[in-house]
Amino acid sequence: DGGITQSPKYLFRKEGQNVTLSCEQNLNHDAMYWYRQDPGQGLRLIYYSQIVNDFQKGDIAEGYSVSREKKESFPLTVTSAQKNPTAFYLCASSAVTGTQETQYFGPGTRLLVL
Amino acid sequence: GESVGLHLPTLSVQEGDNSIINCAYSNSASDYFIWYKQESGKGPQFIIDIRSNMDKRQGQRVTVLLNKTVKHLSLQIAATQPGDSAVYFCAEMGGGSYIPTFGRGTSLIVHP
Repeated sequence: DGGITQSPKYLFRKEGQNVTLSCEQNLNHDAMYWYRQDPGQGLRLIYYSQIVNDFQKGDIAEGYSVSREKKESFPLTVTSAQKNPTAFYLCASSAVTGTQETQYFGPGTRLLVL
Repeated sequence: GESVGLHLPTLSVQEGDNSIINCAYSNSASDYFIWYKQESGKGPQFIIDIRSNMDKRQGQRVTVLLNKTVKHLSLQIAATQPGDSAVYFCAEMGGGSYIPTFGRGTSLIVHP
Protein backbone atom coordinates (compact mmCIF):
# COMPACT_ATOMS: atom_id res chain seq x y z
CA ASP A 1 0.00 0.00 0.00
CA GLY A 2 1.93 2.99 -1.27
CA GLY A 3 1.77 6.47 0.13
CA ILE A 4 3.15 9.15 2.38
CA THR A 5 2.97 8.80 6.14
CA GLN A 6 3.49 11.47 8.75
CA SER A 7 3.82 11.01 12.47
CA PRO A 8 2.70 11.87 14.98
CA LYS A 9 -0.75 13.18 14.12
CA TYR A 10 -0.59 15.61 17.06
CA LEU A 11 2.58 16.95 18.68
CA PHE A 12 2.95 19.17 21.70
CA ARG A 13 5.99 21.35 22.19
CA LYS A 14 7.14 23.01 25.37
CA GLU A 15 8.81 26.39 25.14
CA GLY A 16 12.49 26.09 24.29
CA GLN A 17 12.15 22.53 23.06
CA ASN A 18 13.11 21.14 19.67
CA VAL A 19 10.67 18.67 18.15
CA THR A 20 10.96 16.46 15.07
CA LEU A 21 8.16 15.60 12.66
CA SER A 22 8.49 12.42 10.67
CA CYS A 23 7.72 12.00 6.96
CA GLU A 24 8.15 8.72 5.10
CA GLN A 25 7.20 7.78 1.54
CA ASN A 26 7.29 4.46 -0.26
CA LEU A 27 6.42 5.88 -3.67
CA ASN A 28 10.04 5.92 -4.82
CA HIS A 29 9.70 9.69 -5.34
CA ASP A 30 12.83 11.76 -5.77
CA ALA A 31 11.58 15.07 -4.39
CA MET A 32 10.12 15.79 -0.96
CA TYR A 33 8.73 18.97 0.55
CA TRP A 34 7.60 20.45 3.85
CA TYR A 35 4.81 23.01 4.05
CA ARG A 36 3.22 24.94 6.85
CA GLN A 37 -0.52 25.67 6.81
CA ASP A 38 -2.13 28.34 8.96
CA PRO A 39 -5.89 28.98 9.13
CA GLY A 40 -7.20 30.78 6.05
CA GLN A 41 -3.83 30.85 4.32
CA GLY A 42 -2.25 29.03 1.42
CA LEU A 43 0.52 26.50 1.93
CA ARG A 44 3.92 28.01 2.63
CA LEU A 45 7.09 26.15 1.68
CA ILE A 46 9.57 25.51 4.49
CA TYR A 47 12.20 23.26 2.90
CA TYR A 48 12.46 20.93 -0.07
CA SER A 49 14.81 18.23 -1.22
CA GLN A 50 15.28 17.14 -4.80
CA ILE A 51 17.77 14.36 -4.10
CA VAL A 52 19.27 12.46 -1.19
CA ASN A 53 21.77 14.45 0.90
CA ASP A 54 20.67 17.75 -0.63
CA PHE A 55 17.98 20.23 0.38
CA GLN A 56 17.07 23.89 -0.15
CA LYS A 57 15.37 26.54 1.93
CA GLY A 58 11.85 27.54 1.03
CA ASP A 59 10.08 30.78 1.80
CA ILE A 60 9.91 30.37 5.60
CA ALA A 61 12.91 28.23 6.59
CA GLU A 62 13.94 30.25 9.65
CA GLY A 63 13.55 28.23 12.84
CA TYR A 64 13.36 24.91 11.01
CA SER A 65 15.90 22.28 9.93
CA VAL A 66 15.73 19.14 7.79
CA SER A 67 17.81 16.18 6.68
CA ARG A 68 17.57 13.79 3.72
CA GLU A 69 19.79 10.83 4.51
CA LYS A 70 17.48 8.35 2.79
CA LYS A 71 15.27 8.69 -0.27
CA GLU A 72 12.23 7.56 1.71
CA SER A 73 12.59 9.92 4.66
CA PHE A 74 12.57 13.70 5.12
CA PRO A 75 12.22 14.64 8.82
CA LEU A 76 11.55 18.23 9.86
CA THR A 77 12.84 19.65 13.15
CA VAL A 78 11.07 22.66 14.60
CA THR A 79 13.69 24.38 16.70
CA SER A 80 13.30 26.68 19.69
CA ALA A 81 14.17 29.55 17.34
CA GLN A 82 10.74 29.20 15.71
CA LYS A 83 8.70 31.55 17.88
CA ASN A 84 5.29 30.78 16.42
CA PRO A 85 5.31 27.06 15.64
CA THR A 86 1.60 26.32 16.12
CA ALA A 87 0.37 25.18 12.71
CA PHE A 88 -0.56 22.19 10.57
CA TYR A 89 2.54 20.74 8.90
CA LEU A 90 2.26 18.91 5.61
CA CYS A 91 4.84 16.76 3.88
CA ALA A 92 4.62 16.11 0.16
CA SER A 93 6.54 14.26 -2.50
CA SER A 94 6.74 14.27 -6.27
CA ALA A 95 8.10 11.69 -8.63
CA VAL A 96 10.81 13.39 -10.62
CA THR A 97 13.11 16.25 -9.79
CA GLY A 98 13.19 19.19 -12.15
CA THR A 99 9.93 18.56 -13.96
CA GLN A 100 6.38 19.70 -13.51
CA GLU A 101 5.03 16.88 -11.44
CA THR A 102 2.04 16.66 -9.16
CA GLN A 103 2.82 16.79 -5.47
CA TYR A 104 1.15 14.20 -3.27
CA PHE A 105 0.58 14.98 0.38
CA GLY A 106 0.72 13.13 3.65
CA PRO A 107 -2.03 13.34 6.31
CA GLY A 108 -0.31 16.14 8.24
CA THR A 109 0.93 16.76 11.77
CA ARG A 110 -0.67 19.37 13.99
CA LEU A 111 1.86 21.04 16.26
CA LEU A 112 0.64 22.78 19.39
CA VAL A 113 2.61 24.76 21.96
CA LEU A 114 2.05 24.04 25.66
CA GLY B 1 -6.96 20.79 10.09
CA GLU B 2 -10.19 21.70 11.75
CA SER B 3 -9.59 25.39 11.17
CA VAL B 4 -8.24 25.26 7.60
CA GLY B 5 -11.46 26.80 6.31
CA LEU B 6 -11.42 29.70 8.74
CA HIS B 7 -11.93 33.04 6.98
CA LEU B 8 -11.84 31.48 3.52
CA PRO B 9 -14.32 32.32 0.76
CA THR B 10 -17.25 29.98 1.13
CA LEU B 11 -19.57 28.39 -1.43
CA SER B 12 -22.77 26.82 -0.11
CA VAL B 13 -24.78 24.52 -2.37
CA GLN B 14 -27.59 22.02 -2.10
CA GLU B 15 -26.93 18.34 -2.63
CA GLY B 16 -27.38 17.50 -6.31
CA ASP B 17 -26.52 20.98 -7.57
CA ASN B 18 -23.47 21.67 -9.69
CA SER B 19 -20.65 23.61 -8.02
CA ILE B 20 -18.16 25.96 -9.61
CA ILE B 21 -15.05 26.97 -7.69
CA ASN B 22 -12.85 29.68 -9.13
CA CYS B 23 -9.16 30.47 -8.90
CA ALA B 24 -7.31 33.48 -10.28
CA TYR B 25 -3.61 32.94 -10.78
CA SER B 26 -0.96 35.59 -10.98
CA ASN B 27 1.92 34.32 -13.09
CA SER B 28 1.31 34.54 -16.84
CA ALA B 29 4.24 32.11 -17.31
CA SER B 30 2.48 29.36 -15.33
CA ASP B 31 1.75 26.38 -17.51
CA TYR B 32 0.71 23.60 -15.16
CA PHE B 33 -2.23 23.75 -12.79
CA ILE B 34 -3.55 21.39 -10.13
CA TRP B 35 -6.71 21.26 -8.05
CA TYR B 36 -6.63 19.77 -4.55
CA LYS B 37 -9.36 18.86 -2.07
CA GLN B 38 -8.65 19.10 1.65
CA GLU B 39 -11.05 17.68 4.18
CA SER B 40 -10.96 18.86 7.76
CA GLY B 41 -7.92 17.56 9.62
CA LYS B 42 -6.47 15.79 6.59
CA GLY B 43 -3.81 16.39 3.97
CA PRO B 44 -4.69 17.74 0.52
CA GLN B 45 -5.82 15.18 -2.01
CA PHE B 46 -5.10 15.50 -5.75
CA ILE B 47 -8.27 15.91 -7.84
CA ILE B 48 -7.29 16.87 -11.37
CA ASP B 49 -4.61 18.74 -13.28
CA ILE B 50 -4.35 20.61 -16.57
CA ARG B 51 -1.49 21.90 -18.69
CA SER B 52 -1.56 25.17 -20.56
CA ASN B 53 -1.90 23.54 -23.97
CA MET B 54 -5.45 22.58 -22.99
CA ASP B 55 -8.45 24.68 -21.99
CA LYS B 56 -10.62 21.90 -20.58
CA ARG B 57 -10.09 18.56 -18.92
CA GLN B 58 -12.66 16.18 -17.49
CA GLY B 59 -12.50 13.62 -14.75
CA GLN B 60 -15.12 11.70 -12.87
CA ARG B 61 -17.78 14.30 -11.93
CA VAL B 62 -15.17 17.07 -12.18
CA THR B 63 -14.14 19.39 -14.99
CA VAL B 64 -11.33 21.93 -14.95
CA LEU B 65 -11.46 24.94 -17.27
CA LEU B 66 -8.45 27.12 -18.00
CA ASN B 67 -8.66 30.62 -19.44
CA LYS B 68 -5.11 31.82 -20.00
CA THR B 69 -6.24 35.17 -21.39
CA VAL B 70 -7.62 36.29 -18.04
CA LYS B 71 -5.47 33.92 -15.91
CA HIS B 72 -8.45 32.10 -14.51
CA LEU B 73 -9.00 28.49 -13.53
CA SER B 74 -12.25 26.87 -12.46
CA LEU B 75 -13.28 23.53 -11.02
CA GLN B 76 -16.76 22.29 -11.78
CA ILE B 77 -18.23 19.51 -9.66
CA ALA B 78 -21.34 17.85 -11.06
CA ALA B 79 -24.14 16.59 -8.83
CA THR B 80 -22.43 17.76 -5.66
CA GLN B 81 -22.65 15.38 -2.71
CA PRO B 82 -22.22 15.96 1.06
CA GLY B 83 -18.89 14.10 0.82
CA ASP B 84 -17.63 16.87 -1.45
CA SER B 85 -17.68 19.31 1.48
CA ALA B 86 -14.07 20.42 1.92
CA VAL B 87 -11.62 23.20 1.13
CA TYR B 88 -10.58 23.27 -2.52
CA PHE B 89 -7.46 25.06 -3.67
CA CYS B 90 -5.55 25.46 -6.85
CA ALA B 91 -1.82 25.35 -7.45
CA GLU B 92 0.13 26.85 -10.34
CA MET B 93 3.57 25.95 -11.61
CA GLY B 94 5.78 27.19 -14.38
CA GLY B 95 7.99 30.02 -15.52
CA GLY B 96 11.03 27.83 -14.91
CA SER B 97 9.97 26.80 -11.40
CA TYR B 98 9.05 23.26 -10.38
CA ILE B 99 7.70 24.41 -7.03
CA PRO B 100 3.96 25.14 -7.05
CA THR B 101 2.34 28.28 -5.70
CA PHE B 102 -0.83 27.49 -3.79
CA GLY B 103 -3.97 29.60 -3.54
CA ARG B 104 -5.77 30.19 -0.23
CA GLY B 105 -8.67 27.99 -1.13
CA THR B 106 -12.48 28.02 -1.12
CA SER B 107 -14.57 26.26 1.45
CA LEU B 108 -17.38 24.22 -0.17
CA ILE B 109 -20.35 23.38 2.04
CA VAL B 110 -22.91 20.94 0.68
CA HIS B 111 -26.30 20.88 2.39
CA PRO B 112 -28.26 17.62 2.29
